[in-house]
Amino acid sequence: NAGVTQTPKFRILKIGQSMTLQCTQDMNHNYMYWYRQDPGMGLKLIYYSVGAGITDKGEVPNGYNVSRSTTEDFPLRLELAAPSQTSVYFCASHGSFGSPLHFGNGTRLTVT
Amino acid sequence: AQSVSQHNHHVILSEAASLELGCNYSYGGTVNLFWYVQYPGQHLQLLLKYFSGDPLVKGIKGFEAEFIKSKFSFNLRKPSVQWSDTAEYFCAVIPDSNYQLIWGAGTKLIIKP
Repeated sequence: NAGVTQTPKFRILKIGQSMTLQCTQDMNHNYMYWYRQDPGMGLKLIYYSVGAGITDKGEVPNGYNVSRSTTEDFPLRLELAAPSQTSVYFCASHGSFGSPLHFGNGTRLTVT
Repeated sequence: AQSVSQHNHHVILSEAASLELGCNYSYGGTVNLFWYVQYPGQHLQLLLKYFSGDPLVKGIKGFEAEFIKSKFSFNLRKPSVQWSDTAEYFCAVIPDSNYQLIWGAGTKLIIKP
């Protein structure tokens, strides 16, 4: 059972480039989330999804986009990367309401 | 606005010392409460959770937390810490009105050998 799988693990982007962070889970979870983690700031919610075809903005959605065409996949798209998007990104999922989150191993992104 | 406060951003202890990390939330209704831990270089993992029942919850690795509804608190405790407990600890809350987790800013715990 792989759980939540994120790719890539590391990436360096130049300002203005675009990329997609991949996230897939094999637990048939409806709820999926994208967080960014910055030192001393805890976790900030970027986007979330409560099921295939349904997504919504979190606390810090600007500069990002998501889609949820299947239950398993929840990719995060960065358009026109900026240095402020340098962060560690975590994808997470859970099944029923209130159940604990399962996290991916994270993607460390640097924008220079 | 709903929020979660973790009082200490950094805590440094010696091995065998007792630990208590504070967590308070601002929501008057029913909540589900969590503590997550992030070891250096790893992703977050669940330490313990409270949904209902006995307000004293036991988690992995000797950790426990007590839910005190009147104080809106869910403090994490461990009687005797080990060097391997060095990590960042996050408190999180799901209010019954919202299915999104609300996260505290985290507490970095450093245990001196």
